[in-house]
Amino acid sequence: GAGVSQSPRYKVAKRGQDVALRCDPISGHVSLFWYQQALGQGPEFLTYFQNEAQLDKSGLPSDRFFAERPEGSVSTLKIQRTQQEDSAVYLCASSSTGTGIYGYTFGSGTRLTVV
Amino acid sequence: QKEVEQNSGPLSVPEGAIASLNCTYSDRGSQSFFWYRQYSGKSPELIMSIYSNGDKEDGRFTAQLNKASQYVSLLIRDSQPSDSATYLCAPWRDNDMRFGAGTRLTVKP
Repeated sequence: GAGVSQSPRYKVAKRGQDVALRCDPISGHVSLFWYQQALGQGPEFLTYFQNEAQLDKSGLPSDRFFAERPEGSVSTLKIQRTQQEDSAVYLCASSSTGTGIYGYTFGSGTRLTVV
Repeated sequence: QKEVEQNSGPLSVPEGAIASLNCTYSDRGSQSFFWYRQYSGKSPELIMSIYSNGDKEDGRFTAQLNKASQYVSLLIRDSQPSDSATYLCAPWRDNDMRFGAGTRLTVKP
């Protein structure tokens, strides 16, 4: 596609509910990144894929967070048993290179509100 | 000490003036440096990248890098109201891009 596509754009979840956020990167982009952005803060790294391999998941805040990219294109970030502190914008970014040295292109994000 | 530090602002400049945004970082191994612009409610948009010490100019934007001082800056000349946004500094190394909290810039007509 022309850009990084994320869905849904907005998600309201009741506390304890599971959610799945989707990211469709730019076609052919090797690297895919997930970030979490709280209000008034910069994006915080969650996890990184190179093709289908998850090479870094050090930023995932707890074992309730899980990400996958099974075929090396679309990725899903899943949050189990959502908590209020999970409320944030979740940003997906992709890069054409294996490392992202030339910068990332971000999607529009999914705004998650846990009530 | 935060990994990436930026003045949160708001920084207010009149239209046509030069806006100067500053950033310091802690990781001496950082290899590339990016500036992203983020409008309210929108996603970050890459506007500048710089890889070596010195200045890099692109239109009204100039990025400056001093690795010895672990300092990077962004100058916006002839500021326009449409430049009003939050500017995020992002050093990068080894598949790892870290962001500052951003500086909010307001350009007043």
